[in-house]
Amino acid sequence: DTGVSQNPRHKITKRGQNVTFRCDPISEHNRLYWYRQTLGQGPEFLTYFQNEAQLEKSRLLSDRFSAERPKGSFSTLEIQRTEQGDSAMYLCASRKEGGLETQYFGPGTRLLVL
Amino acid sequence: AQSVTQLGSHVSVSEGALVLLRCNYSSSVPPYLFWYVQYPNQGLQLLLKYTTGATLVKGINGFEAEFKKSETSFHLTKPSAHMSDAAEYFCAVSEGGNNRLAFGKGNQVVVIP
Repeated sequence: DTGVSQNPRHKITKRGQNVTFRCDPISEHNRLYWYRQTLGQGPEFLTYFQNEAQLEKSRLLSDRFSAERPKGSFSTLEIQRTEQGDSAMYLCASRKEGGLETQYFGPGTRLLVL
Repeated sequence: AQSVTQLGSHVSVSEGALVLLRCNYSSSVPPYLFWYVQYPNQGLQLLLKYTTGATLVKGINGFEAEFKKSETSFHLTKPSAHMSDAAEYFCAVSEGGNNRLAFGKGNQVVVIP
Protein backbone atom coordinates (compact mmCIF):
# COMPACT_ATOMS: atom_id res chain seq x y z
CA ASP A 1 0.00 0.00 0.00
CA THR A 2 1.83 3.07 -1.28
CA GLY A 3 -0.80 5.67 -0.42
CA VAL A 4 -2.46 8.23 -2.65
CA SER A 5 -0.09 9.83 -5.13
CA GLN A 6 -0.51 13.01 -7.14
CA ASN A 7 1.44 14.40 -10.08
CA PRO A 8 2.83 16.88 -10.62
CA ARG A 9 3.49 18.22 -7.14
CA HIS A 10 3.90 21.75 -8.44
CA LYS A 11 2.71 23.48 -11.58
CA ILE A 12 3.33 27.02 -12.74
CA THR A 13 1.41 28.17 -15.77
CA LYS A 14 0.43 31.33 -17.55
CA ARG A 15 -3.12 32.60 -17.54
CA GLY A 16 -5.13 31.10 -20.34
CA GLN A 17 -3.19 27.85 -20.55
CA ASN A 18 -4.68 24.41 -19.87
CA VAL A 19 -3.35 22.19 -17.10
CA THR A 20 -3.99 18.57 -16.13
CA PHE A 21 -3.36 16.89 -12.81
CA ARG A 22 -3.29 13.19 -12.06
CA CYS A 23 -4.31 11.28 -8.95
CA ASP A 24 -3.54 7.61 -8.28
CA PRO A 25 -5.66 6.36 -5.38
CA ILE A 26 -4.90 3.53 -3.00
CA SER A 27 -5.59 0.30 -4.86
CA GLU A 28 -9.05 -1.14 -4.28
CA HIS A 29 -10.40 2.21 -3.11
CA ASN A 30 -13.45 2.66 -5.27
CA ARG A 31 -14.27 6.20 -4.11
CA LEU A 32 -12.16 9.15 -5.19
CA TYR A 33 -12.57 12.82 -4.23
CA TRP A 34 -11.04 16.08 -5.43
CA TYR A 35 -10.75 19.10 -3.15
CA ARG A 36 -9.31 22.59 -3.60
CA GLN A 37 -7.49 24.44 -0.84
CA THR A 38 -6.67 28.13 -1.07
CA LEU A 39 -4.30 29.94 1.24
CA GLY A 40 -5.58 30.19 4.78
CA GLN A 41 -8.65 28.07 4.12
CA GLY A 42 -9.69 24.50 4.65
CA PRO A 43 -10.12 22.20 1.66
CA GLU A 44 -13.36 22.57 -0.30
CA PHE A 45 -15.07 19.70 -2.07
CA LEU A 46 -14.96 19.77 -5.88
CA THR A 47 -16.14 16.41 -7.18
CA TYR A 48 -16.50 12.74 -6.37
CA PHE A 49 -16.27 9.41 -8.20
CA GLN A 50 -17.51 5.99 -7.34
CA ASN A 51 -15.54 3.67 -9.60
CA GLU A 52 -15.63 5.35 -13.01
CA ALA A 53 -18.86 7.27 -12.44
CA GLN A 54 -18.72 10.94 -11.49
CA LEU A 55 -21.61 11.17 -9.05
CA GLU A 56 -21.40 14.70 -7.72
CA LYS A 57 -19.92 18.06 -8.69
CA SER A 58 -19.69 21.15 -6.52
CA ARG A 59 -20.88 24.55 -7.72
CA LEU A 60 -17.20 25.51 -7.35
CA LEU A 61 -16.46 23.38 -10.39
CA SER A 62 -17.01 25.77 -13.26
CA ASP A 63 -17.34 24.71 -16.89
CA ARG A 64 -13.59 25.16 -17.28
CA PHE A 65 -13.00 22.23 -14.94
CA SER A 66 -13.39 18.62 -15.98
CA ALA A 67 -12.54 15.44 -14.14
CA GLU A 68 -12.40 11.87 -15.33
CA ARG A 69 -11.74 8.45 -13.94
CA PRO A 70 -11.93 6.33 -17.09
CA LYS A 71 -11.18 2.87 -15.73
CA GLY A 72 -12.13 3.40 -12.14
CA SER A 73 -8.50 3.64 -11.09
CA PHE A 74 -6.53 6.88 -11.57
CA SER A 75 -8.26 10.19 -12.09
CA THR A 76 -7.39 13.39 -13.93
CA LEU A 77 -8.51 16.93 -13.25
CA GLU A 78 -8.18 19.37 -16.13
CA ILE A 79 -8.53 23.13 -15.94
CA GLN A 80 -8.98 24.92 -19.24
CA ARG A 81 -8.15 28.58 -19.81
CA THR A 82 -6.66 28.97 -16.37
CA GLU A 83 -7.27 32.16 -14.38
CA GLN A 84 -5.26 33.62 -11.52
CA GLY A 85 -8.09 32.69 -9.17
CA ASP A 86 -7.43 29.02 -9.93
CA SER A 87 -4.15 29.23 -8.01
CA ALA A 88 -4.55 26.78 -5.14
CA MET A 89 -3.57 23.38 -3.81
CA TYR A 90 -5.58 20.60 -5.45
CA LEU A 91 -5.98 17.59 -3.18
CA CYS A 92 -7.11 14.11 -4.06
CA ALA A 93 -8.44 11.59 -1.56
CA SER A 94 -9.65 8.02 -1.80
CA ARG A 95 -11.55 5.60 0.41
CA LYS A 96 -13.16 2.22 0.40
CA GLU A 97 -16.87 1.66 0.19
CA GLY A 98 -18.62 1.80 3.55
CA GLY A 99 -19.96 4.54 5.77
CA LEU A 100 -17.25 4.31 8.42
CA GLU A 101 -14.28 4.30 6.10
CA THR A 102 -11.62 7.03 6.19
CA GLN A 103 -10.58 9.30 3.35
CA TYR A 104 -6.84 9.16 2.71
CA PHE A 105 -5.29 12.23 1.12
CA GLY A 106 -2.50 12.62 -1.37
CA PRO A 107 0.23 15.26 -1.07
CA GLY A 108 -1.56 17.63 -3.41
CA THR A 109 -0.67 19.56 -6.54
CA ARG A 110 0.11 23.22 -5.98
CA LEU A 111 -0.94 25.35 -8.96
CA LEU A 112 0.28 28.88 -9.54
CA VAL A 113 -1.27 30.82 -12.40
CA LEU A 114 0.74 33.87 -13.46
CA ALA B 1 -25.81 21.64 4.91
CA GLN B 2 -23.38 20.55 7.52
CA SER B 3 -20.59 22.93 8.55
CA VAL B 4 -17.68 23.31 10.92
CA THR B 5 -16.44 26.31 12.86
CA GLN B 6 -12.89 26.64 14.10
CA LEU B 7 -12.09 29.88 15.89
CA GLY B 8 -8.69 31.48 16.16
CA SER B 9 -6.69 30.85 13.02
CA HIS B 10 -3.34 30.95 14.86
CA VAL B 11 -2.75 29.23 18.18
CA SER B 12 0.49 29.61 20.12
CA VAL B 13 1.36 27.10 22.82
CA SER B 14 4.45 26.62 24.92
CA GLU B 15 6.33 23.35 24.65
CA GLY B 16 4.99 21.02 27.33
CA ALA B 17 1.72 22.93 27.74
CA LEU B 18 -1.80 21.76 26.93
CA VAL B 19 -2.92 21.97 23.33
CA LEU B 20 -6.63 22.77 22.95
CA LEU B 21 -8.22 23.34 19.53
CA ARG B 22 -11.93 24.01 19.44
CA CYS B 23 -14.35 22.69 16.83
CA ASN B 24 -18.10 23.20 16.68
CA TYR B 25 -20.27 21.65 14.02
CA SER B 26 -23.77 21.93 12.71
CA SER B 27 -25.53 18.89 11.37
CA SER B 28 -29.08 17.75 10.89
CA VAL B 29 -28.07 14.10 11.17
CA PRO B 30 -25.72 12.24 13.52
CA PRO B 31 -22.31 13.42 12.35
CA TYR B 32 -19.10 11.69 11.57
CA LEU B 33 -16.32 14.00 12.78
CA PHE B 34 -12.63 14.11 11.95
CA TRP B 35 -9.42 15.91 12.84
CA TYR B 36 -6.72 16.08 10.20
CA VAL B 37 -3.20 17.53 10.46
CA GLN B 38 -1.32 19.15 7.59
CA TYR B 39 2.42 19.77 7.59
CA PRO B 40 3.90 22.34 5.20
CA ASN B 41 3.55 21.40 1.54
CA GLN B 42 1.95 18.08 2.38
CA GLY B 43 -1.49 16.54 2.19
CA LEU B 44 -3.76 15.87 5.15
CA GLN B 45 -3.12 13.09 7.63
CA LEU B 46 -5.91 11.71 9.80
CA LEU B 47 -5.38 12.28 13.51
CA LEU B 48 -8.60 10.72 14.76
CA LYS B 49 -12.27 10.29 13.96
CA TYR B 50 -15.62 9.83 15.67
CA THR B 51 -18.29 7.74 14.00
CA THR B 52 -20.28 5.91 16.65
CA GLY B 53 -19.77 4.50 20.12
CA ALA B 54 -17.35 5.92 22.67
CA THR B 55 -17.40 9.71 22.69
CA LEU B 56 -13.78 10.08 23.78
CA VAL B 57 -11.62 9.23 20.81
CA LYS B 58 -7.87 8.69 20.96
CA GLY B 59 -5.70 9.33 17.94
CA ILE B 60 -2.11 9.35 16.86
CA ASN B 61 0.70 11.38 18.44
CA GLY B 62 -1.05 11.62 21.81
CA PHE B 63 -4.07 13.58 20.60
CA GLU B 64 -7.62 12.92 21.68
CA ALA B 65 -11.01 14.51 21.13
CA GLU B 66 -14.38 14.28 22.81
CA PHE B 67 -17.71 14.32 20.98
CA LYS B 68 -20.28 16.32 22.94
CA LYS B 69 -23.64 16.21 21.25
CA SER B 70 -25.27 18.69 23.63
CA GLU B 71 -22.60 21.26 22.83
CA THR B 72 -22.21 20.27 19.15
CA SER B 73 -18.48 20.19 19.78
CA PHE B 74 -15.49 18.00 18.98
CA HIS B 75 -12.54 19.73 20.61
CA LEU B 76 -9.02 18.38 20.14
CA THR B 77 -6.55 18.16 23.02
CA LYS B 78 -3.04 16.99 23.79
CA PRO B 79 -1.73 17.19 27.37
CA SER B 80 1.83 18.23 26.50
CA ALA B 81 2.84 20.01 23.30
CA HIS B 82 5.93 18.95 21.42
CA MET B 83 7.85 20.96 18.85
CA SER B 84 6.82 18.43 16.20
CA ASP B 85 3.16 19.37 16.78
CA ALA B 86 3.67 22.61 14.88
CA ALA B 87 1.33 22.24 11.90
CA GLU B 88 -2.13 23.18 10.66
CA TYR B 89 -5.09 21.31 12.09
CA PHE B 90 -8.45 20.91 10.43
CA CYS B 91 -11.74 19.73 11.85
CA ALA B 92 -14.15 18.18 9.36
CA VAL B 93 -17.63 16.72 9.25
CA SER B 94 -18.75 14.07 6.81
CA GLU B 95 -21.87 15.05 4.98
CA GLY B 96 -24.18 13.51 2.49
CA GLY B 97 -24.46 10.00 1.21
CA ASN B 98 -21.23 10.54 -0.67
CA ASN B 99 -19.35 11.10 2.59
CA ARG B 100 -17.64 14.20 1.24
CA LEU B 101 -15.90 16.23 3.92
CA ALA B 102 -16.73 19.78 4.95
CA PHE B 103 -13.73 21.39 6.63
CA GLY B 104 -13.26 24.26 9.02
CA LYS B 105 -10.80 27.01 8.20
CA GLY B 106 -8.07 25.39 10.26
CA ASN B 107 -5.82 26.31 13.18
CA GLN B 108 -2.15 27.04 12.61
CA VAL B 109 -0.36 25.79 15.74
CA VAL B 110 2.94 27.35 16.73
CA VAL B 111 4.93 25.71 19.51
CA ILE B 112 7.14 28.04 21.51
CA PRO B 113 10.28 26.50 23.02
